[in-house]
Amino acid sequence: QKEVEQNSGPLSVPEGAIASLNCTYSDRGSQSFFWYRQYSGKSPELIMFIYSNGDKEDGRFTAQLNKASQYVSLLIRDSQPSDSATYLCAAGGSQGNLIFGKGTKLSVKP
Amino acid sequence: SQTIHQWPATLVQPVGSPLSLECTVEGTSNPNLYWYRQAAGRGLQLLFYSVGIGQISSEVPQNLSASRPQDRQFILSSKKLLLSDSGFYLCAWMRTLNTEAFFGQGTRLTVV
Repeated sequence: QKEVEQNSGPLSVPEGAIASLNCTYSDRGSQSFFWYRQYSGKSPELIMFIYSNGDKEDGRFTAQLNKASQYVSLLIRDSQPSDSATYLCAAGGSQGNLIFGKGTKLSVKP
Repeated sequence: SQTIHQWPATLVQPVGSPLSLECTVEGTSNPNLYWYRQAAGRGLQLLFYSVGIGQISSEVPQNLSASRPQDRQFILSSKKLLLSDSGFYLCAWMRTLNTEAFFGQGTRLTVV
């Protein structure tokens, strides 16, 4: 059973701090990785995707991928209260579908 | 640009009643289509996916079925709902396999 694991949290950070969200995956064949943000009662929205080892930056967000360690992370710089949400990590599966983790709940305190 | 429509947003149905949830995608052709369910405190569970008209793959045995009568239309159905069918149902599309998925607004189903 291919899995994506995330710490459920909640992760609490003060406003302006860096939030670090982590994810591990079991399928060594996965080549694509995604981070989604889900506000309570809403559907997930894509934040970033990453395919290659290393870092990928988009505004306040940085995704990091280490295929050797089967580890994906998302850093959120200058965290804002509006970043408070559940963050879902997903990995591309062998059948082309996305396998999602259960999500990490982030709370940014003003 | 591509958009995905899913309805209704909320639904309360009695046990044993039928279900039909519809999802349509605009602005693209031959999308890969997905139905996910998200139960309280649980992750996204893939229920069905389709790579083309009439092609349905089921990920888990259950009380539900899916159909794709048109290229950009995906329907989730049940003949008789169970209490355990309650949850947040999400339709999604992907341009090709292993690329980013885009979700509809979701349907909150409560079976009573």
